Amino acid sequence: GAVVSQHPSRVICKSGTSVKIECRSLDFQATTMFWYRQFPKQSLMLMATSNEGSKATYEQGVEKDKFLINHASLTLSTLTVTSAHPEDSSFYICSARERGFWEGETQYFGPGTRLLVL
Amino acid sequence: DAKTTQPPSMDCAEGRAANLPCNHSTISGNEYVYWYRQIHSQGPQYIIHGLKNNETNEMASLIITEDRKSSTLILPHATLRDTAVYYCIVANFGNEKLTFGTGTRLTIIP
Repeated sequence: GAVVSQHPSRVICKSGTSVKIECRSLDFQATTMFWYRQFPKQSLMLMATSNEGSKATYEQGVEKDKFLINHASLTLSTLTVTSAHPEDSSFYICSARERGFWEGETQYFGPGTRLLVL
Repeated sequence: DAKTTQPPSMDCAEGRAANLPCNHSTISGNEYVYWYRQIHSQGPQYIIHGLKNNETNEMASLIITEDRKSSTLILPHATLRDTAVYYCIVANFGNEKLTFGTGTRLTIIP
């Protein structure tokens, strides 16, 4: 299957700082990427849909000014957690939909980024 | 998107076939059935998907009932590395959102 990478794999930061997480599709172009968050012992929750060249679409309850998403190219989307606080500590996972794959399109997920805010 | 129901947990002996059921009684005609799994502290891994026909790939088989209200994921020869949470997801064709439920925690027993 297609490969999606994330960087960094884990990050520890101080409260009040901003953290940027990168999501890359390595062997395919992705017009659409997705950002999920997963708290311990819970399932994945979709945060936002990232569209190349346009603004992201956020799910209800997700603060767009806090979680900035940029999808500047067909292979890269970034999520910036601004002014991070301990409650933002979580496992952040991105996924990418392969462009032009219409017959039951498939999302491929990155390995995740574990964020710990102290 | 249609909602799915899965058992919270299952055990399977190593080397045996693992059969994971999923109910999706409100599935509509253009919705696909997707299966993903998540091994601890990793991102979900795509396994297989189907619309109405049974599907097989190198990882698993997907059996969808004729009325499409339920499906079964089959891992033919389970290994310890198959221990994971398995998610059954129903999504519209062209709808990009995947809604994850609580999944089935499959434990492969030596």
